[in-house]
Amino acid sequence: AQSVAQPEDQVNVAEGNPLTVKCTYSVSGNPYLFWYVQYPNRGLQFLLKYITGDNLVKGSYGFEAEFNKSQTSFHLKKPSALVSDSALYFCAVRAGLGNFNKFYFGSGTKLNVKP
Amino acid sequence: DAGVTQSPTHLIKTRGQQVTLRCSPKSGHDTVSWYQQALGQGPQFIFQYYEEEERQRGNFPDRFSGHQFPNYSSELNVNALLLGDSALYLCASSFSRTSGSISNEQYFGPGTRLTVT
Repeated sequence: AQSVAQPEDQVNVAEGNPLTVKCTYSVSGNPYLFWYVQYPNRGLQFLLKYITGDNLVKGSYGFEAEFNKSQTSFHLKKPSALVSDSALYFCAVRAGLGNFNKFYFGSGTKLNVKP
Repeated sequence: DAGVTQSPTHLIKTRGQQVTLRCSPKSGHDTVSWYQQALGQGPQFIFQYYEEEERQRGNFPDRFSGHQFPNYSSELNVNALLLGDSALYLCASSFSRTSGSISNEQYFGPGTRLTVT
């Protein structure tokens, strides 16, 4: 069965410090991994994805994520956090064959960046 | 270029009633997926439509049904509403027609907030 786990409900970081939001996954087949961000009363916005190739993926707004196959992890990172990064972050996985497969989302991690 | 649009924005219904939510995909997209996001939870996959057929379905009862029209827009119908159906319903669109499109990201609409009283 496919699943995604975000072990931290909330991450607190000071502005200017690096941030990490953790994600681990369990899939059969090749994993396609995604990060989305959700601001209050808004839909989800795509940040980045890992399909194949370089394990370090760069995305929008200075975010990046590191794919680690042996640890089945796909942690989201940013070298220097901004107060405006405060939001809800979701990791998602899509796996299987063919073009029609379900997206499985984690439960989300609330990122709080303090001035 | 319009993104994914959903209507209505908010909706209040009574237990036992029926509701229809609507979604227009991003221009150029041919696939629509629906998700239910309960308060404090991640989105849960309901179903996905492509070429007017349901292609994948999550663990939701038959009270949840959908439709996709020739212009790729979609509707989500929920019958016999329960209090537990109160949630944010998200529509996401993507492009599926070509090989390898499984790697394509989904683009989400702002959602419809459904409250069942």
